[in-house]
Amino acid sequence: SQTIHQWPATLVQPVGSPLSLECTVEGTSNPNLYWYRQAAGRGLQLLFYSVGIGQISSEVPQNLSASRPQDRQFILSSKKLLLSDSGFYLCAWAQGARNTIYFGEGSWLTVV
Amino acid sequence: KQEVTQIPAALSVPEGENLVLNCSFTDSAIYNLQWFRQDPGKGLTSLLLIQSSQREQTSGRLNASLDKSSGRSTLYIAASQPGDSATYLCAVSGGGADGLTFGKGTHLIIQP
Repeated sequence: SQTIHQWPATLVQPVGSPLSLECTVEGTSNPNLYWYRQAAGRGLQLLFYSVGIGQISSEVPQNLSASRPQDRQFILSSKKLLLSDSGFYLCAWAQGARNTIYFGEGSWLTVV
Repeated sequence: KQEVTQIPAALSVPEGENLVLNCSFTDSAIYNLQWFRQDPGKGLTSLLLIQSSQREQTSGRLNASLDKSSGRSTLYIAASQPGDSATYLCAVSGGGADGLTFGKGTHLIIQP
């Protein structure tokens, strides 16, 4: 069966520090991968998606970036965090663009 | 741009009641619609996926309907239980690789 893992689960980072959130999927190949952010009262916002290794599409301009160095690995990064980057970050995967999307457990980021 | 609205934003009912959660979307050109459950501080769990050609899907005490032409979906929960307490999210897919557009959710509390 397929599983998705993301880490760390919780982190507190000072403004201006770097960020790296990692997500891996097991039990499938060539999945579509997604990073969403959930901010209080604003619902889920799609940040990045990837349909293959090295292929990243960004939905919103921001100081975050994403990379897909391997087929089932998706990384969310920032060189310098802002207070506004605080939120709940969710990684997700789907087998193709039209199938059920499955989410990881999420990572809580607090920028102080 | 697709917009998804969920009504009500919050709902509190006694245990045992049947209830309906509503979801509406502005662009009827969807490929599918998903209902998710989110427990506090956790990721999303997929409940039901309805393809655009389908009218409803059922899983246990859950039944989701879709009226694509009117841009509406409902999630029916029969014989509610305290364990059903969570936030329920509706999301639609346009069929592209860019994933889902989410509503802000309905926060459901089932009183024992």
